[in-house]
Amino acid sequence: SQTIHQWPATLVQPVGSPLSLECTVEGTSNPNLYWYRQAAGRGLQLLFYSVGIGQISSEVPQNLSASRPQDRQFILSSKKLLLSDSGFYLCAWSVRPLNPYEQYFGPGTRLTVT
Amino acid sequence: AQKVTQAQTEISVVEKEDVTLDCVYETRDTTYYLFWYKQPPSGELVFLIRRNSFDEQNEISGRYSWNFQKSTSSFNFTITASQVVDSAVYFCALSNDYKLSFGAGTTVTVRA
Repeated sequence: SQTIHQWPATLVQPVGSPLSLECTVEGTSNPNLYWYRQAAGRGLQLLFYSVGIGQISSEVPQNLSASRPQDRQFILSSKKLLLSDSGFYLCAWSVRPLNPYEQYFGPGTRLTVT
Repeated sequence: AQKVTQAQTEISVVEKEDVTLDCVYETRDTTYYLFWYKQPPSGELVFLIRRNSFDEQNEISGRYSWNFQKSTSSFNFTITASQVVDSAVYFCALSNDYKLSFGAGTTVTVRA
């Protein structure tokens, strides 16, 4: 069966510090991968998605970036965090071609920028 | 552009009451998919159901049921005989490709 991991689970970082969040998927090959952010009490905002290694599409211009160095690894980064980057970050995957639209989510990383 | 509206921000019910969550969507596509996800206090989103635009059959899964009406662009979700464990944020979402557009979510609180 497929599983998705995210770490760390929680993170407190000062403004201006770098960020690296990691997401890995097990039990599937060539998945679509996604990064979402959920601000406190709000809905989910798609940040990035990837259909393959090295292929990243950005949905929202910001100081975050994403990379996909391996098929089942998706990394969210920032060189300098802002207070507004605080939130709950969720990674998701979907399987091609069977269910390209159905996404499965990881446990999330709660980021607090102080 | 695609848009999903969940007009109910919060719903509070007593255990065993039924609760219906509304979802209205907008899309220009003829082929699309609708979803419901549950987000318990732990934070992880749990997939509940997917429905494609050509299948207007209502579906029932245990205490959960979904009513898809294309004529009114609605995909409503009912929890029958609610339980405390149903307390969560519920999201409706729409997709016509690899991306999901989420509604703002409805927080359901079931009191014992």
